Amino acid sequence: GAVVSQHPSWVICKSGTSVKIECRSLDFQATTMFWYRQFPKQSLMLMATSNEGSKATYEQGVEKDKFLINHASLTLSTLTVTSAHPEDSSFYICSASHLNTEAFFGQGTRLTVV
Amino acid sequence: AQRVTQPEKLLSVFKGAPVELKCNYSYSGSPELFWYVQYSRQRLQLLLRHISRESIKGFTADLNKGETSFHLKKPFAQEEDSAMYYCALKGGGGNKLTFGTGTQLKVEL
Repeated sequence: GAVVSQHPSWVICKSGTSVKIECRSLDFQATTMFWYRQFPKQSLMLMATSNEGSKATYEQGVEKDKFLINHASLTLSTLTVTSAHPEDSSFYICSASHLNTEAFFGQGTRLTVV
Repeated sequence: AQRVTQPEKLLSVFKGAPVELKCNYSYSGSPELFWYVQYSRQRLQLLLRHISRESIKGFTADLNKGETSFHLKKPFAQEEDSAMYYCALKGGGGNKLTFGTGTQLKVEL
């Protein structure tokens, strides 16, 4: 299957700072990328959908000014958590798909805000 | 609104026993249903989809529109089947997936 890579795999940041997470499709062009958040022992909750070259579509209840998503190229999308707080600590997962075909998942990024 | 329900958080079976992971959904149109698996310390990966009608690693799942269910079954559980299983639904166009809460399958020797 196709490979989707997230970087970093884990990050610790201070409260009030911003942190950027990258999601790359390594061997295919990702026309759509999805960002999920997963709390311990809970399901994946879709945060937003981004199409290359367009503004991201956020799910209800997700603050777009706090979770900035950029999908500037067909192989890269970034999620920036701005002014992070301890409650933003979570596991963030991206997935990528080409047109409407199967979505492939990244390995996830563990964010801890201290 | 679309919803996926997996009633069991944990399912423990003995090796060689049959397995059935339950999944029910709520969706007004014609959904696409999927099962994803996450082995320990690995990323989420697609196990099977209802439109393929295939058996992967001995697992099958049949979409029952009358009961709005998409249960995952395997006749004889293997130790390597121990993992987290998520049922997911895609509907309304696009590639957006709605996930259930997941079921941890533990196969004991």
